[in-house]
Amino acid sequence: QVQLVESGGGVVQPGRSLRLSCAASGFSFSTYGMHWVRQAPGKGLEWVAVIWYDGSNKYYADSVKGRFTISRDDSKTTLYLQMNSLRADDTAVYYCARGGSLTEQFDYWGQGTLVTVSS
Amino acid sequence: DVVMTQSPLSLPVTLGQPASISCRSSQSLVYSDGNTYLNWFQQRPGQPPRRLIYKVSNRDSGVPDRFSGSGSGTDFTLKISRVEAEDVGVYYCMQGTHWPPWTFGQGTKVEIK
Repeated sequence: QVQLVESGGGVVQPGRSLRLSCAASGFSFSTYGMHWVRQAPGKGLEWVAVIWYDGSNKYYADSVKGRFTISRDDSKTTLYLQMNSLRADDTAVYYCARGGSLTEQFDYWGQGTLVTVSS
Repeated sequence: DVVMTQSPLSLPVTLGQPASISCRSSQSLVYSDGNTYLNWFQQRPGQPPRRLIYKVSNRDSGVPDRFSGSGSGTDFTLKISRVEAEDVGVYYCMQGTHWPPWTFGQGTKVEIK
């Protein structure tokens, strides 16, 4: 069965960096695009970034453009989110979600990892 | 960016009674392939989102048939025919037609009266 397991969250000071990971299993990872979506405490869902199945395209929300970088390692079936210059408003639970065809988008989600940006 | 607007934002319902959530998009969600990429998600307390409905009206595997989606163009609806206790949570619509970005509605909190 499809499993997505995020890790790497924690408490970090403003301006510092953090890298999140999403370990995927149960499907052919290298043939699927992947997303990051975040949810601030008590708030709604915000799409963050996507990477194409072959890494050829990457798109970002305006709120993170220039600070966050999405990447993937197909040999490890793992998705990453490098977060630099973190701000207090980046505090959220970060979820990875499967992409794929337009029909398959967001059909599977991980449990999420909490990132808290605070001094 | 496409703005998704849900109503109501809070929906108290009686067990066994129907519930309906509206979602409107700021522009038509019909894609160039003729499909409409409007999804509905359920997020139970303390859980990640779960996709319930894709392409307006298609239920995901394992989703009870009391959940149904309908609509076209810019107006969409999620209906629960008879609310059960396990349906408590927040429901989000999301458009996957005009990307990036993919955009979500604000969420509708369903609670039992």
